[in-house]
Amino acid sequence: AQSVAQPEDQVNVAEGNPLTVKCTYSVSGNPYLFWYVQYPNRGLQFLLKYITGDNLVKGSYGFEAEFNKSQTSFHLKKPSALVSDSALYFCAVSPTGFQKLVFGTGTRLLVSP
Amino acid sequence: NAGVTQTPKFQVLKTGQSMTLQCAQDMNHEYMSWYRQDPGMGLRLIHYSVGAGITDQGEVPNGYNVSRSTTEDFPLRLLSAAPSQTSVYFCASSYTGSSSYEQYFGPGTRLTVT
Repeated sequence: AQSVAQPEDQVNVAEGNPLTVKCTYSVSGNPYLFWYVQYPNRGLQFLLKYITGDNLVKGSYGFEAEFNKSQTSFHLKKPSALVSDSALYFCAVSPTGFQKLVFGTGTRLLVSP
Repeated sequence: NAGVTQTPKFQVLKTGQSMTLQCAQDMNHEYMSWYRQDPGMGLRLIHYSVGAGITDQGEVPNGYNVSRSTTEDFPLRLLSAAPSQTSVYFCASSYTGSSSYEQYFGPGTRLTVT
């Protein structure tokens, strides 16, 4: 069975600094990996995905993620954080791409001015 | 294009009552699913459907029923509500035939069972 771990409940960064939100996964076969963001009282929004190909994938709002097969990690990064990036971030994995998405417990990102 | 809509936004039930959470999408997506979100536990899959007439169980299906009579609608039924079903429920949909894999989420239904 697949699983996702987000080891940090909260990440605090100052505006303008780089940010990293960590994610490790476990899945049999090739992983389909995703990052979603949730703003208060809203549904989840897709940020980016890794299916195959380049280990560095770029997504919405300047976010990118690095796939590392040997470390089974898929960390979310952004070179320069904005206060408006403050939200709840979820890493997810699927065995097929769209079915049975399994989510991590989420990491709250707080960007201070 | 409304995307994924959910009704109601909020609901309070007494233990033992039943109700249906509505979910509809206007993107002609084959795949639809229901998740519940609880603090510290992320989102957990309740039921999913790959097309009209086809449903299957997810990680936490007990106490919930689904049916899919049309491509657009995927209602979630609580048969006999329990306090453990207090949660925020999200419906999501996506294509099955493309490599997009992006899931579109509704705004959620906040359910409290007393």
